[in-house]
Amino acid sequence: AQSVSQHNHHVILSEAASLELGCNYSYGGTVNLFWYVQYPGQHLQLLLKYFSGDPLVKGIKGFEAEFIKSKFSFNLRKPSVQWSDTAEYFCAVARGKAAGNKLTFGGGTRVLVKP
Amino acid sequence: ETGVTQTPRHLVMGMTNKKSLKCEQHLGHNAMYWYKQSAKKPLELMFVYNFKEQTENNSVPSRFSPECPNSSHLFLHLHTLQPEDSALYLCASRPGQGEMTGANVLTFGAGSRLTVL
Repeated sequence: AQSVSQHNHHVILSEAASLELGCNYSYGGTVNLFWYVQYPGQHLQLLLKYFSGDPLVKGIKGFEAEFIKSKFSFNLRKPSVQWSDTAEYFCAVARGKAAGNKLTFGGGTRVLVKP
Repeated sequence: ETGVTQTPRHLVMGMTNKKSLKCEQHLGHNAMYWYKQSAKKPLELMFVYNFKEQTENNSVPSRFSPECPNSSHLFLHLHTLQPEDSALYLCASRPGQGEMTGANVLTFGAGSRLTVL
């Protein structure tokens, strides 16, 4: 069964620090990759996505993620975080050519940015 | 506002009650989803509908009964739930089924927080 692993459950950092959240998946075929963010009390929002092409994708709010196929990874990064980046971040994977209905989510990483 | 509206936002019910969660999307999408978000667990896909037809039931107990009268509305009927069913229930929609590329990605509602006593 396909699985998605997010290595850190909780991350605490100060404003202006750099952020990197790890995501690994187990499926070996073509994948579509996503990062969603859930701010406190709000809905899940799409932060960025990868389908094909340049493995370094840029999303909203200064976030980027790099797809490394050989490592089955899709890590999320932001060079300098702000207090407003406090949220829960979810990595998600959908198989590329089949079973397009199924988006498998990781367990989420709660990020707390201290002012 | 995402274009996917869920009501009620909060619901408390006893184990013998019958209640329903409602989801409405104003995006013209044809595929609608129910997900369950529990504490300390990944989001779990429950049901998928495409053009009102159920295309996925992810081994969900029968005490959860979905209904999709049209492509814009999705309900989750709840009956004789257990305390472990307490969770945030998320509705999502996307333009159609098939590969999740381009604009064919999920848009989520804010969720209905369910507490079963």
